[in-house]
Amino acid sequence: EAQVTQNPRYLITVTGKKLTVTCSQNMNHEYMSWYRQDPGLGLRQIYYSMNVEVTDKGDVPEGYKVSRKEKRNFPLILESPSPNQTSLYFCASSWTSGRVNEQFFGPGTRLTVL
Amino acid sequence: GEDVEQSLFLSVREGDSSVINCTYTDSSSTYLYWYKQEPGAGLQLLTYIFSNMDMKQDQRLTVLLNKKDKHLSLRIADTQTGDSAIYFCAESLSFNDMRFGAGTRLTVKP
Repeated sequence: EAQVTQNPRYLITVTGKKLTVTCSQNMNHEYMSWYRQDPGLGLRQIYYSMNVEVTDKGDVPEGYKVSRKEKRNFPLILESPSPNQTSLYFCASSWTSGRVNEQFFGPGTRLTVL
Repeated sequence: GEDVEQSLFLSVREGDSSVINCTYTDSSSTYLYWYKQEPGAGLQLLTYIFSNMDMKQDQRLTVLLNKKDKHLSLRIADTQTGDSAIYFCAESLSFNDMRFGAGTRLTVKP
């Protein structure tokens, strides 16, 4: 089954404790992206990657890191989480052929930073 | 404003039509999208429209685009309880630059 998976789905942590949220897709997509969703706001892009070893900042990259060592994986790293990073996080992926960006989304990771 | 704007809530009766409205920001946006988010799930692409089109129909879904007013709408005919979800409008300024609205929560009452 074609899908984007994220782990963990739920995470409660404390300020300053490094964490990684994994994202994996099995569709051989070149493009991958991370978003955060906050109440009353649209999805905001954190980072994106056009292909292996090619990453770039989105609209809200501060406090986050990513890597793209393999095509299927795009982990999101919070080196020193803070309470303002409490949010719902989505990973997405798509092909880059064509101009339409038909993104497939993962189920989301709900992060709480105390 | 500079945000993609949608009303936050819409409630309809089962069998009625639903119309979800969106105002986007950039007249040079190439594609406009509608995504659906069901409880506990990620976003799912419903449909999209290219900016040189006025209308697109796909089964029960009709998308209308008014470029002059930068207004996009999604009409769902014969709305069912399974259509209850949050619907997001998004504009694409370039392949990797997609701006989302805050989402409209559609509630369908039996």
